[in-house]
Amino acid sequence: GAVVSQHPSRVICKSGTSVKIECRSLDFQATTMFWYRQFPKQSLMLMATSNEGSKATYEQGVEKDKFLINHASLTLSTLTVTSAHPEDSSFYICSASPQGAAYGYTFGSGTRLTVV
Amino acid sequence: GQQLNQSPQSMFIQEGEDVSMNCTSSSIFNTWLWYKQDPGEGPVLLIALYKAGELTSNGRLTAQFGITRKDSFLNISASIPSDVGIYFCAGLASGTYKYIFGTGTRLKVLA
Repeated sequence: GAVVSQHPSRVICKSGTSVKIECRSLDFQATTMFWYRQFPKQSLMLMATSNEGSKATYEQGVEKDKFLINHASLTLSTLTVTSAHPEDSSFYICSASPQGAAYGYTFGSGTRLTVV
Repeated sequence: GQQLNQSPQSMFIQEGEDVSMNCTSSSIFNTWLWYKQDPGEGPVLLIALYKAGELTSNGRLTAQFGITRKDSFLNISASIPSDVGIYFCAGLASGTYKYIFGTGTRLKVLA
């Protein structure tokens, strides 16, 4: 089955530093990947759509200069949280679909970011 | 962003009991998905529904695509402790590739 790998699973960083999160589709190619953010006991909120070879599209209210997305290959998308602050602490999850939107998306295992 | 309303928000049940939860929207959807999320993990797809009125099973799980296309239901029969987790519905409208997720139903099973 389709597997999406996310790394790291947990990261703690100091306020003001940048953190990169990787999302890989292991057994399929993904021209589109999605990045979500999830606060404790809340639902998944779509942050941005990552498009291979072109700019990401961001949801309303998401700062594109703060959350940099790079989708340089058909199997890798990265999310970089720049100049992280404690309020950026959250669970970040990526997803992709091997067969198209109608068949649902496979999610990565998530990255717990803690900014201290 | 927009979210779908799920009910109940949380529930405690005894092992062996059946569970029902639902998801409602003000918009019509063409696809409904149900996911389960364990603590500290990403959601895992349980069931996908594509047609109004459709009833689909996956083991002890049964989900239905509401006839109005504005709701969906998930039933879990004979619950077991590993059913603990958060269940999310997700809807896909026509002409879009972005799913809208529900607010989640947190299930706790008492052995």
